[in-house]
Amino acid sequence: GENVEQHPSTLSVQEGDSAVIKCTYSDSASNYFPWYKQELGKRPQLIIDIRSNVGEKKDQRIAVTLNKTAKHFSLHITETQPEDSAVYFCAASRASTGNQFYFGTGTSLTVIP
Amino acid sequence: DSGVTQTPKHLITATGQRVTLRCSPRSGDLSVYWYQQSLDQGLQFLIQYYNGEERAKGNILERFSAQQFPDLHSELNLSSLELGDSALYFCASSATGGNQPQHFGDGTRLSIL
Repeated sequence: GENVEQHPSTLSVQEGDSAVIKCTYSDSASNYFPWYKQELGKRPQLIIDIRSNVGEKKDQRIAVTLNKTAKHFSLHITETQPEDSAVYFCAASRASTGNQFYFGTGTSLTVIP
Repeated sequence: DSGVTQTPKHLITATGQRVTLRCSPRSGDLSVYWYQQSLDQGLQFLIQYYNGEERAKGNILERFSAQQFPDLHSELNLSSLELGDSALYFCASSATGGNQPQHFGDGTRLSIL
């Protein structure tokens, strides 16, 4: 089955700096890659997603890039703010497995004011 | 508000007991997923139902079972509870078809004393 690895497990940045979180996947048939943000004690919330027919997607300060050849995708947060502090999870899935998500182990991001 | 409703929000019980967690998916969503999240851990996929049928099974213990009813709500039954079952249990739902985001409920926090 699919295996998703996520790095780093913890990340601290100064407010205003950029943060990058990287994930690799093993199943070349995976074609949907969502990212979730989870604040302490809250539910995971979808922040951005990308499908395999697209190499990059942006939404304000958040962007995701996908390299299908290398089987990795990354989350980029620019101009970080304290409210960006949370745990971020990447996931991979393919339609043929019924939309089952394979989640990474999470990255705890701390933005230092 | 994700549109996914989970009840109860909190549950405190003792070892050896049995509990039932309930989930109502977003209107129109046919797929329901259950996840377990222990303290400071990632999202462990338990099981998926699609339109009343089991679709995928993850690391779900034999003491745990689930079902999805004709009105599409789902229940997760946990029996012979152990201290290690203390966790946050999330339900998520998604629309028909693959490559769709999963929308998470607020979770049920289960504490075993």
